[in-house]
Amino acid sequence: AQSVTQLDSHVSVSEGTPVLLRCNYSSSYSPSLFWYVQHPNKGLQLLLKYTSAATLVKGINGFEAEFKKSETSFHLTKPSAHMSDAAEYFCVVILRGRALTFGSGTRLQVQP
Amino acid sequence: GAGVSQSPSNKVTEKGKDVELRCDPISGHTALYWYRQSLGQGLEFLIYFQGNSAPDKSGLPSDRFSAERTGGSVSTLTIQRTQQEDSAVYLCASSWSGTNTDTQYFGPGTRLTVL
Repeated sequence: AQSVTQLDSHVSVSEGTPVLLRCNYSSSYSPSLFWYVQHPNKGLQLLLKYTSAATLVKGINGFEAEFKKSETSFHLTKPSAHMSDAAEYFCVVILRGRALTFGSGTRLQVQP
Repeated sequence: GAGVSQSPSNKVTEKGKDVELRCDPISGHTALYWYRQSLGQGLEFLIYFQGNSAPDKSGLPSDRFSAERTGGSVSTLTIQRTQQEDSAVYLCASSWSGTNTDTQYFGPGTRLTVL
């Protein structure tokens, strides 16, 4: 079975400082992994995805994530937080080759 | 082009009534998914349609839930005899071909409130 664990339910950073949102996965084979973002009262938007082509994946809005098989991790990072980054972030793995399995989400707060 | 659209955006109903939620996927996408987002359960998969294949209904929580996809495009999720625990945001997504690596594009959701 595949699943994802987001290690922090809330993360608070100051504007201009780095962001780290942690995600660990469990899978019996090489998974497809995604990060989605959900802004208040808006739909889910894909930030980036890992599909085994490259371990360092760059996404939109300056976010990137590194797939580390040895650590079963897929942490999301950004060098410098912006106020507009405040949202909920979901680490996602493909289940049964079709449906997405979502982590519990991490709410990112950005302080001025 | 147009994204995934869902209607209605909000639905308030009384316990025991039936509701229908509609999803219009992105044109040309062969795969369509329904998910539910609730406070207690997070985001969970409900059902998946791929082309003319039999749908994967393994995520439906009870036999009160059903879904159809007509003509390989529009889908309707029906909840019969609604219960308060059905209150949630119902999300629809579509993808080009439904493979492991395909991006799923989400609609804005339908917020269902059962009184």
